[in-house]
Amino acid sequence: GAGVSQSPSNKVTEKGKDVELRCDPISGHTALYWYRQSLGQGLEFLIYFQGNSAPDKSGLPSDRFSAERTGGSVSTLTIQRTQQEDSAVYLCASSLRDGGGMNTQYFGPGTRLTVL
Amino acid sequence: QKEVEQNSGPLSVPEGAIASLNCTYSDRGSQSFFWYRQYSGKSPELIMFIYSNGDKEDGRFTAQLNKASQYVSLLIRDSQPSDSATYLCAVNRGKLIFGQGTTLQVKP
Repeated sequence: GAGVSQSPSNKVTEKGKDVELRCDPISGHTALYWYRQSLGQGLEFLIYFQGNSAPDKSGLPSDRFSAERTGGSVSTLTIQRTQQEDSAVYLCASSLRDGGGMNTQYFGPGTRLTVL
Repeated sequence: QKEVEQNSGPLSVPEGAIASLNCTYSDRGSQSFFWYRQYSGKSPELIMFIYSNGDKEDGRFTAQLNKASQYVSLLIRDSQPSDSATYLCAVNRGKLIFGQGTTLQVKP
C-alpha cells in the first residue's frame, strides 16, 4: 500500500521484557516521527528522523527508549525493560521533508503495546 | 499552561448543524496549524492545515486562524453522524504539538 505501515499491530509483553516496534514510511518521505498515545492522554512526540539522523530526541521518556532508522526508510523503536506505564499506542508518521511550514505528516495505524 | 489547549467536550450537535471546534496555542511564533480527525481505535487522519490569518475552506470544513488572538478553529457544516470523532488540533514545529482533542458527537 501507499501509506505508512507499522508492525506488529498489537503487542502484549511481560514487564521487564524488551520490545521492538517497526515503521515503514511512505516511499520517498525523508522525515519520520514517532508519537505515543496513552489512554486518556493526548498524542505525545517521542523522536523524529531526517534521513537516518535524529535531530530531535527530546520526547523519549527515558534511556530505556531508543530508535534507529536505516537506509532512510524503515525505523525501529526499541523499549528495553518494559514497564506497565509504557502501555500505549505507538504511532509513526512520515512527511516529505522535515522542518516547519506545510510539511504534512501522515500517520500509520499504530502499534498497541500492552505491558502486563 | 499547556502549549495547545482544546476543550475535551463532548460537543454534541444535531445532524445538519454547524459544529465549531476551537483551539488556542501559547507560542506566538507558531506558524502553521493542522487539524486531524481520530475515530475511536484508529490513527489520526489529516483534515486540513492553515498558516495564513483568515479562513480556509475545504468542502464542508473551514479552518479559521487568528494569530493575534492565538486561536485556531474548525467549522464543520452540515454535520453528519459519520463526523462523530475526536478532533485534534496541532501546532507544527517540525514535530507536531497536539492538544488533547475535542470529542464531537453528531446526533441523528
